[in-house]
Amino acid sequence: EAGVAQSPRYKIIEKRQSVAFWCNPISGHATLYWYQQILGQGPKLLIQFQNNGVVDDSQLPKDRFSAERLKGVDSTLKIQPAKLEDSAVYLCASSLLAGSQGEQFFGPGTRLTVL
Amino acid sequence: GENVEQHPSTLSVQEGDSAVIKCTYSDSASNYFPWYKQELGKRPQLIIDIRSNVGEKKDQRIAVTLNKTAKHFSLHITETQPEDSAVYFCAAITGGGNKLTFGTGTQLKVEL
Repeated sequence: EAGVAQSPRYKIIEKRQSVAFWCNPISGHATLYWYQQILGQGPKLLIQFQNNGVVDDSQLPKDRFSAERLKGVDSTLKIQPAKLEDSAVYLCASSLLAGSQGEQFFGPGTRLTVL
Repeated sequence: GENVEQHPSTLSVQEGDSAVIKCTYSDSASNYFPWYKQELGKRPQLIIDIRSNVGEKKDQRIAVTLNKTAKHFSLHITETQPEDSAVYFCAAITGGGNKLTFGTGTQLKVEL
């Protein structure tokens, strides 16, 4: 089966600019996750969707980050305006079931560099 | 919230030796503990997981042990090979929640 798709793979922007990332989960996976992975650290959950509803966004910096999954399939993550500390790899993952019942499959990630 | 600590941060072993990576968690309600392998520039991939009703699980050369009382779990890799070189992340999820909390990662290097 096709895996989780993400685009773009790389993005370089200057601080205060805006950027958007796109994710297409595995077909049929109801749960979608966005993680931020800073170099040398483990992935940190930013937001979790169950279909098109938000389950957890407690670690999403809502003053600058936003995410949507309007039709319960694809999702976009936006940063506006970007800061230097936003430089990281943004990983999208999906699972058939939520929580401890569903293995999470990760996409290749988008490497963001903020200059 | 859950806090997961992972040690060591780097581990170098000779090919054929065993490697052990240890993690501790803070939330006693956590009941699912996956381990991910991430090769340089690639996505994390699940290699093994364990649930809180099991003390040990083995899959060929890899095994995971869980001590619920002490709130720690470990990854064991036997007969290490160069292709085992990667960053390994432990993680924990609470039974009532959905959030997967990752450890800080262990860079494993298997030397010839």
